[in-house]
Amino acid sequence: GESVGLHLPTLSVQEGDNSIINCAYSNSASDYFIWYKQESGKGPQFIIDIRSNMDKRQGQRVTVLLNKTVKHLSLQIAATQPGDSAVYFCAENSGYSTLTFGKGTMLLVSP
Amino acid sequence: EAGVVQSPRYKIIEKKQPVAFWCNPISGHNTLYWYRQNLGQGPELLIRYENEEAVDDSQLPKDRFSAERLKGVDSTLKIQPAELGDSAVYLCASSPNSGATDTQYFGPGTRLTVL
Repeated sequence: GESVGLHLPTLSVQEGDNSIINCAYSNSASDYFIWYKQESGKGPQFIIDIRSNMDKRQGQRVTVLLNKTVKHLSLQIAATQPGDSAVYFCAENSGYSTLTFGKGTMLLVSP
Repeated sequence: EAGVVQSPRYKIIEKKQPVAFWCNPISGHNTLYWYRQNLGQGPELLIRYENEEAVDDSQLPKDRFSAERLKGVDSTLKIQPAELGDSAVYLCASSPNSGATDTQYFGPGTRLTVL
């Protein structure tokens, strides 16, 4: 049978909608978090980062929210476009530049 | 600016054969990483170099995997002999230094299939 790892959580949205991708992290001592976008056949691409002394950080069309109380991270994409379709990973710095990646979420954007 | 370069992009070998992957990091980046990414999962660190020194190889299966970064620039990751379970995408990344907030930039990866 298929591995559980193949069943990526999937978020399907319409072009122009806002998207929210969630991530739970594991290490309460992590102090730096990053969102990566990975398109098929490519390596992860840096989107936005946030340090643990911040709750929110905005970029171009993207916003990252950090809730340290419940160890939760979210990525909001405004006015989602078909080119945003990809797998999104959150990663936490669990110590001295060692990144631990979470399970990815596949974002599918329909025109 | 050129990104991280990896070759080959794809490799198919039979089990028990050796295989090697090559990585050229972004110019000026002192820190280089090798990750393995299994299907549907996030990358997992195998080894981290600061210049030519391997400073974190705790997740590298040393019985069959080896890596080197001669002269602190290019790096090679080798598997000998390969096993079926080694089928994955091998990603190389680099960052300016190894600070906690130094962004890691990834190459396109080498997709290895072991038959």
